[in-house]
Amino acid sequence: NAGVTQTPKFQVLKTGQSMTLQCAQDMNHEYMSWYRQDPGMGLRLIHYSVGAGITDQGEVPNGYNVSRSTTEDFPLRLLSAAPSQTSVYFCASSYSIGNRNSPLHFGNGTRLTVT
Amino acid sequence: AQSVAQPEDQVNVAEGNPLTVKCTYSVSGNPYLFWYVQYPNRGLQFLLKYITGDNLVKGSYGFEAEFNKSQTSFHLKKPSALVSDSALYFCAVSALVDSSYKLIFGSGTRLLVRP
Repeated sequence: NAGVTQTPKFQVLKTGQSMTLQCAQDMNHEYMSWYRQDPGMGLRLIHYSVGAGITDQGEVPNGYNVSRSTTEDFPLRLLSAAPSQTSVYFCASSYSIGNRNSPLHFGNGTRLTVT
Repeated sequence: AQSVAQPEDQVNVAEGNPLTVKCTYSVSGNPYLFWYVQYPNRGLQFLLKYITGDNLVKGSYGFEAEFNKSQTSFHLKKPSALVSDSALYFCAVSALVDSSYKLIFGSGTRLLVRP
C-alpha cells in the first residue's frame, strides 16, 4: 500500500524557473491538498481539491497552480520560482475533509530550494 | 480568528518520565482536534483525534490527549517517554474557513527525550 507518493524528494531551481511537484494517492481519497512547511510557522495550506475537476485556494496560493484531472493525482505547479518559495512541500489526502472525521495522510515531502 | 497555539517550541524530558505537549485552540462551534507527529525527513503521521465524547482520547504509540473545553486545550500526554518519541508534534483543529472545513495547524513542538 503506497499511500501518498510525492516526487521529486529534492529539487533546486533558479529564480524564474517553473516546475511541477507530483503527488499521487492510491487510497481513492476524495480530498487532496498541498501544504508548505516553514520553520516556526507550522503547515500552511496552498491549494486543495475536494474531488476530480474541483480545486480551490488555501491560505497561501499565490505563485502556485493546481489541477485535479483524476482522483489519484494532484500536481502542484510553480509558475516562476522565487526564493520565498524555498520550503518543504507536503501533499496530503483524506477520505473526505467535509465530514471532519478523516485524518490526513501525508506524503514524505519535497524539499525545494530556489536560488 | 480560528487558530491553534503550541506555546512551547521544544519540550525536554528524560526517558521514563511522563511528558506533556501543550495545545490551545480558538474556534467557533464544536472543535474537532487532532495530533500529528513528524519524524525527520518524513511526512506527518496521525496520532489521535477528539470529536466528541470522553475527554481523554487514546491514540497510537501509547499517546493520549485530554480535551478541556473550559480551558480550550488539548494537551498531548504519555505516561512514560521513550527516546524514540523524539520528533516534531503538531496540534490541529478542523475549522470552518470561507464556507469549507480546513485543518489549521499549530507551529509545532519539538520533543526531545534524553536517554
